[in-house]
Amino acid sequence: SQQGEEDPQALSIQEGENATMNCSYKTSINNLQWYRQNSGRGLVHLILIRSNEREKHSGRLRVTLDTSKKSSSLLITASRAADTASYFCATDAQGGSEKLVFGKGTKLTVNP
Amino acid sequence: DTEVTQTPKHLVMGMTNKKSLKCEQHMGHRAMYWYKQKAKKPPELMFVYSYEKLSINESVPSRFSPECPNSSLLNLHLHALQPEDSALYLCASSPLRGFGQPQHFGDGTRLSIL
Repeated sequence: SQQGEEDPQALSIQEGENATMNCSYKTSINNLQWYRQNSGRGLVHLILIRSNEREKHSGRLRVTLDTSKKSSSLLITASRAADTASYFCATDAQGGSEKLVFGKGTKLTVNP
Repeated sequence: DTEVTQTPKHLVMGMTNKKSLKCEQHMGHRAMYWYKQKAKKPPELMFVYSYEKLSINESVPSRFSPECPNSSLLNLHLHALQPEDSALYLCASSPLRGFGQPQHFGDGTRLSIL
């Protein structure tokens, strides 16, 4: 299975701290995306990183990709209570269908 | 507010009922998707439509029947569902079908089968 695995499964931090979530996958990919899902809501696209990129930034988000280790990390700096959500990585398989396969997700809780 | 609108937000139905879920987007996207999400699990792809034509069916049981009447609208017709079909059903769209297309999701329909 191509499915990504995020770790940790759950993360609880204080407001202002940084949060780091990791994603590992099994097959070669074209792209890796990160999504956020607030409780009871749909997913929101955060950032896309292509297989030939190593790092990407968007506001307080920093994503890295290491294709040799088949892993990615999402760093949220200076976290806020509003960042409380589940975070999923999603990959598409090189040479395969372009469908996205989502990892199991990390549930982040930011305490005020 | 999301740009993909799903109705209804909640649906309770018996196993013999027929109902439909509706999804609408006005972003001019030409690819639309149905996902199923169980509690504390990631979304699982069910169907992909590209230019109003079904392009991917992930071996979904025939009691789920998708329909794409036009480029803005996606329906999921439900018939004779089972209790294990209770889940959050998410619709998504992207500008095109293909690699590297960020998907825009609706807030889903929470379906309960009695």
